[in-house]
Amino acid sequence: DQQVKQNSPSLSVQEGRISILNCDYTNSMFDYFLWYKKYPAEGPTFLISISSIKDKNEDGRFTVFLNKSAKHLSLHIVPSQPGDSAVYFCAASTWGGNQFYFGTGTSLTVIP
Amino acid sequence: EAGVTQSPTHLIKTRGQQATLRCSPISGHTSVYWYQQALGLGLQFLLWYDEGEERNRGNFPPRFSGRQFPNYSSELNVNALELEDSALYLCAGARGTYEQYFGPGTRLTVT
Repeated sequence: DQQVKQNSPSLSVQEGRISILNCDYTNSMFDYFLWYKKYPAEGPTFLISISSIKDKNEDGRFTVFLNKSAKHLSLHIVPSQPGDSAVYFCAASTWGGNQFYFGTGTSLTVIP
Repeated sequence: EAGVTQSPTHLIKTRGQQATLRCSPISGHTSVYWYQQALGLGLQFLLWYDEGEERNRGNFPPRFSGRQFPNYSSELNVNALELEDSALYLCAGARGTYEQYFGPGTRLTVT
């Protein structure tokens, strides 16, 4: 039962352009969403998060958008850099953070 | 500040054996989460420990168990290993927030 889905296993983008990574969820009780970045042979690293009371959160080149009615969130990276090449996981949690549900990841390649 | 550490890095076991994986969170982080990432799948939630107590567990059989020690480090035990237990096991620490800090993982191979 995959409650968080990332339907694009991979994405390639030219350096300097925008990268958009998408994530869908099924559980309307989720109230906190996170994005993690993972390099090979390393654990995931927290990138950015958003609470369900917001529809946008921005941190430098990274912006997360949340559309609760569509149960959809997206991560925008502008401008994309080669160092952004990694696997990106979205995750969701209900209140209290007692269980986190992760998507299967999207492998982003930024082409110099 | 030291990051989250996990040991061993790699572990090879045969079917039916037991495996023990260890995790030390960042100093001050009292919660430890364990995840399984099988090939081609996302991170599947296994267990959550906080202040020494098991707070929640995912949809895994009871042969997956663990504990958290007074220093907040944790170990994950997998009994009666099966071939499908082969995966990357990640632990993450947290302190009262949703943001988790992950270790590099233990790659378990069951033959």
